[in-house]
Parts: sequence; C-alpha cells; structure tokens
Amino acid sequence: SAVISQKPSRDICQRGTSLTIQCQVDSQVTMMFWYRQQPGQSLTLIATANQGSEATYESGFVIDKFPISRPNLTFSTLTVSNMSPEDSSIYLCSGTWRRGYTFGSGTRLTVV
Amino acid sequence: KQEVTQIPAALSVPEGENLVLNCSFTDSAIYNLQWFRQDPGKGLTSLLLIQSSQREQTSGRLNASLDKSSGRSTLYIAASQPGDSATYLCAPLEYGNKLVFGAGTILRVKS
Repeated sequence: SAVISQKPSRDICQRGTSLTIQCQVDSQVTMMFWYRQQPGQSLTLIATANQGSEATYESGFVIDKFPISRPNLTFSTLTVSNMSPEDSSIYLCSGTWRRGYTFGSGTRLTVV
Repeated sequence: KQEVTQIPAALSVPEGENLVLNCSFTDSAIYNLQWFRQDPGKGLTSLLLIQSSQREQTSGRLNASLDKSSGRSTLYIAASQPGDSATYLCAPLEYGNKLVFGAGTILRVKS
C-alpha cells in the first residue's frame, strides 16, 4: 500500500512563530492534500498541494497563513505561520492512490 | 454543499458484540466512499473503500455497504474486540477529488 511519512509528530510552539510540517510519499501517490483537525472536531481540508505551482486553498484558508510547497511528486510541506493558540490542532497530509486515500500519521501542534 | 452525518456519535459495548455504524450524506453524486479508523491523537487508517458502482466491501470482520441513491453507508463490525476501540470516520469522495468527512463515531469496546 501507499505510505506517507510525516514529521514532526508533535511540537509545542510559542505564539508568533512558524512551524513547517513535512510529508514524504512513495511513488504510488498522485494528488496530495493537507487537512486540519481541531480538538474534538473532524477533518477539514486546507488545500490541495499542486506540484510545481501554487496550492489550491479551500474557503477560509489563505496562503499567507498556510504556505504550501510541493516541489516534486513525492514531497510537500505545510507551514503554519504567525501561530496563535487557535492554531492548536492535528495537521495531516494525505495522498490519493489506486485504492483511495492514505494519510500521514499527523502532527499534533500545541501553541502556547 | 456535501454534509456527512454519522450516527451514533459514541458507542460503548461489551466485547463480542456485533456493531453497526451509520453514515448518511446529502449529495449522492459521489465517486466512492471510504471508511477510516483514527486512534487518539493519530492519523487515519483506511479500512474499506467502496466504489460508487458497488454495494458492499468486506475485509475480515468488517463489512461496509453503500446505497448511493439514498445517501447511506453502514459499517458492520463483527465480534467486536477491545482493539477495535477508536473513532470511525466516513468520507464520501466528491468529483473533484474532495473527501468530505463526518464527525465520526467514537467506539469503545469493553473487555
């Protein structure tokens, strides 16, 4: 099956700073996405990571706050910028392959 | 806008029981539907994928059905075990490659 490696698994950050989350996928994955899961909530799509071009953001999410890169087919990063306590969530990357969607193990972010 | 509802929101059962988790969605124009499992603070593990042309899929003790026209899917878990304790998420895939998640069913299987 397709495998996605995500890091860091967790971090505690000071407000006003930024954190970059990385995802490495194997060659079976085609499209890549980034999701946020706020405490006690389900998953919300942040954006589709497009290879070599700007990400496609969902309503309510902007590039200045969540810049995303995907320089090649197998690697993507999400940066959470100028963090506030409201950004405390689990962030997950995912990818599509022939058997549906697969997800990374998630990054648990706490902003203090 | 697609809305996904999962019932019940939480379920606590003794070990060995057979379970049914329900999922309904408002827009039947879906490509497929996937069931996931999420352990606390972790990522998602795919359990079953049902294509829109299929009625059901089985994997071990799990069976998922799909009635696309009525906007419903069920996940059946046979002979539940404590290791099945997790949150179960239903997610139809819309055309345009967007997964839409329900809020999930939190399952606790007591030994």
